[in-house]
Amino acid sequence: DARVTQTPRHKVTEMGQEVTMRCQPILGHNTVFWYRQTMMQGLELLAYFRNRAPLDDSGMPKDRFSAEMPDATLATLKIQPSEPRDSAVYFCASGPESGLLEQYFGPGTRLTVT
Amino acid sequence: GQNIDQPTEMTATEGAIVQINCTYQTSGFNGLFWYQQHAGEAPTFLSYNVLDGLEEKGRFSSFLSRSKGYSYLLLKELQMKDSASYLCAVRDSYSGAGSYQLTFGKGTKLSVIP
Repeated sequence: DARVTQTPRHKVTEMGQEVTMRCQPILGHNTVFWYRQTMMQGLELLAYFRNRAPLDDSGMPKDRFSAEMPDATLATLKIQPSEPRDSAVYFCASGPESGLLEQYFGPGTRLTVT
Repeated sequence: GQNIDQPTEMTATEGAIVQINCTYQTSGFNGLFWYQQHAGEAPTFLSYNVLDGLEEKGRFSSFLSRSKGYSYLLLKELQMKDSASYLCAVRDSYSGAGSYQLTFGKGTKLSVIP
């Protein structure tokens, strides 16, 4: 049963701390997406990769957020320094062949910054 | 850019039929997706329309009119487990950068009551 995995599932941290979220896409999927979901804004695209290359990260605050794919089985999203307004659920999704078909979402990381 | 509108909340009775509407205004269009999201869980794919008309999949159907920028999701024989948020998402035209991306509406929270 192939699925996207994300760690950690929950993270509580203090303002100013670094946060790293990890995602393992479905094996064989070559497109990976990072989303953030809040009650106010809904689901927002932060960044996405195709064949490990970043294609668009215009939705991401560049001064504190960074996204990478060190290899085909791992995508990371880092926030440094974290702020209370970063509190949200962060989803990773993967898709086959440039996202032509549906995206498969991971369970999400619920981040709380105090 | 993309602008996607859908009602915030709806309530319907078990066994009934409900229609969730979605209107969009986009700079490019290459398909419309519906996702279901139960509280505290990840979005899961329901349906996809790229041509005008109705796509039926069991109790769920989705309709698209590209000229009107309009879609709806129809749920028949409602069950209590259908209580969830339903997200409408529009896929951009091919970006030229090698991939596609989805822009999500804020979702419609459906409550099914006995």
